Amino acid sequence: GAVVSQHPSRVICKSGTSVKIECRSLDFQATTMFWYRQFPKKSLMLMATSNEGSKATYEQGVEKDKFLINHASLTLSTLTVTSAHPEDSSFYICSASPTVHGGAFFGQGTRLTVV
Amino acid sequence: AQSVAQPEDQVNVAEGNPLTVKCTYSVSGNPYLFWYVQYPNRGLQFLLKYITGDNLVKGSYGFEAEFNKSQTSFHLKKPSALVSDSALYFCAVRDLRPLNSGGYQKVTFGTGTKLQVIP
Repeated sequence: GAVVSQHPSRVICKSGTSVKIECRSLDFQATTMFWYRQFPKKSLMLMATSNEGSKATYEQGVEKDKFLINHASLTLSTLTVTSAHPEDSSFYICSASPTVHGGAFFGQGTRLTVV
Repeated sequence: AQSVAQPEDQVNVAEGNPLTVKCTYSVSGNPYLFWYVQYPNRGLQFLLKYITGDNLVKGSYGFEAEFNKSQTSFHLKKPSALVSDSALYFCAVRDLRPLNSGGYQKVTFGTGTKLQVIP
């Protein structure tokens, strides 16, 4: 199946700093990628839809200036958590699909801990 | 708006017994349904999907799921559970209709069901 790679898998940062998470589709081009956040009680929340060459579409309640998304190429989307705070600590997951009717494939996730 | 319900937070089953993890959905158009599994501190792994065709879909690791349009359900099943099947399982749905832009609609996930297979 298609491979989506997410990096880093784990990051610890100080409060007030910024962290960048990369999501790459390794063997297909993805015009659309999705960023999710997983909360402690398991549920997955869609944060935003990342569109290659254009601005991301954010879900209601997600701060655009806080979670910067850049989809610079057909194989790379980045999520930058700016001025991170402890409440931003979470598991962030990206996904992409090879085709409109393809299954969604997920990166391995990034565990962010803000101290 | 589309939604997915996984009514059970946790399912316990003895090793060797059949297992079922329940999922019901709501979507305006035709549904595109998925099951994913998540192991601790890992991302989601694709198990199987349904678009059209046979209502019984076979997927990875011996799992299968049955699509029931009248009950709007897509329950995950396995004839004989293994201890290694213990994990978190997510059901998801997407509306098959493409966006006007040519892209595709977002996937909505259920809240997940923890499967515990007891040796």
